[in-house]
Amino acid sequence: SYVLTQPPSVSVAPGQTARITCGGNNIGSKSVHWYQQKPGQAPVLVVYDDSDRPSGIPERFSGSNSGNTATLTISRVEAGDEADYYCQVWDSSSDRVFGGGTKLTVL
Amino acid sequence: QVQLVQSGAEVKKPGSSVKVSCKASGGTFSSYTISWVRQAPGQGLEWMGRIIPILGIANYAQKFQGRVTITADKSTSTAYMELSSLRSEDTAVYYCARQTQVDTAMVLWGQGTLVTVSS
Repeated sequence: SYVLTQPPSVSVAPGQTARITCGGNNIGSKSVHWYQQKPGQAPVLVVYDDSDRPSGIPERFSGSNSGNTATLTISRVEAGDEADYYCQVWDSSSDRVFGGGTKLTVL
Repeated sequence: QVQLVQSGAEVKKPGSSVKVSCKASGGTFSSYTISWVRQAPGQGLEWMGRIIPILGIANYAQKFQGRVTITADKSTSTAYMELSSLRSEDTAVYYCARQTQVDTAMVLWGQGTLVTVSS
């Protein structure tokens, strides 16, 4: 079973950079997708295939993936970025496709 | 602009079944894959299974094998998720999500359907 590990919470001041990690065995060999979910709303894809952004997602959102860690980076954090963030991969050995989620708090 | 529009909230008794629909409004399924994901109150996202509507092929997470059935009606561009033998732990918001291909990102999500299981 393939397990994705995220920190439960990350806090950052407005204007600073937030980094949310997603750990998994040799995750660098997989495509990682990231979703943002605000309270009471459906998830929204913010990064796909490690580092690509869907149309309409600000350039402040970026991703990287290497070794055993993928990272979602949010630059110049705004109050509106406060949300839960989930990483996701597909692995034939596991049905647990999502990480546990990280709550981003903007101080 | 294609949207995924889901059916409304449901309240069900333990032991019963629920069937949630997901209609592609403003478009068709084409060759997309539709996944179903649920989220229990205060919890994370949990993948349940997926279907390729044009092929009618579905596969399910091991946890839900035997209790979940995912189907699709190409003529109406509607996917369905039926969960049987409901228990209180199945109380959750159920989402459908569209993928371009089987192992790609979930690019478009439905608004979610709250299913409450209570006696």
